[in-house]
Amino acid sequence: LAKTTQPISMDSYEGQEVNITCSHNNIATNDYITWYQQFPSQGPRFIIQGYKTKVTNEVASLFIPADRKSSTLSLPRVSLSDTAVYYCLDHSGGYQKVTFGTGTKLQVIP
Amino acid sequence: ETGVTQTPRHLVMGMTNKKSLKCEQHLGHNAMYWYKQSAKKPLELMFVYNFKEQTENNSVPSRFSPECPNSSHLFLHLHTLQPEDSALYLCASSQERFAGATYEQYFGPGTRLTVT
Repeated sequence: LAKTTQPISMDSYEGQEVNITCSHNNIATNDYITWYQQFPSQGPRFIIQGYKTKVTNEVASLFIPADRKSSTLSLPRVSLSDTAVYYCLDHSGGYQKVTFGTGTKLQVIP
Repeated sequence: ETGVTQTPRHLVMGMTNKKSLKCEQHLGHNAMYWYKQSAKKPLELMFVYNFKEQTENNSVPSRFSPECPNSSHLFLHLHTLQPEDSALYLCASSQERFAGATYEQYFGPGTRLTVT
């Protein structure tokens, strides 16, 4: 059973910044926080990963507070092609026994 | 190109059939995974292999039988499946994981399985 909690769905207009928050209260000291993106009928794709504070790459930013019990994925200026399901991963079952959870279905509207 | 390929992409089989799904990774990874994704359900981890050895079996029924002959190839042998086994089966690979290391899995496109 997934131990992460994130909104089931979100809508956003093109060009807006989207923030998706995930709570992971059982995160272990050594575990990283990982987010994936999945398009319909495709396998998930790694987006970003962090341990604490803020991480930024060409796709997104990840904000992690000091207690690490939650994280926020930030997608700047979304486009229609960002419509997908976004998963925050739970590693509390063991370092390879990862749980994906239900994810957040993001719908970008023109 | 993700570096992880899966064949076939689509498979329809009867409940008495025996079939196999194949996964191959070209990324030099040592860990491989099978996942099941049913409609409207989260991705479920099925099996994990590290250096060809099975290290996780997530309470998967015995009608699913994995095989990992080497670090680049992973099979899922299917027999006497049920209609509720119809799903998207995804293979993934990663570097082997140890405490404190980062973690990233590379997924294949999946095999869409329909059991009739």
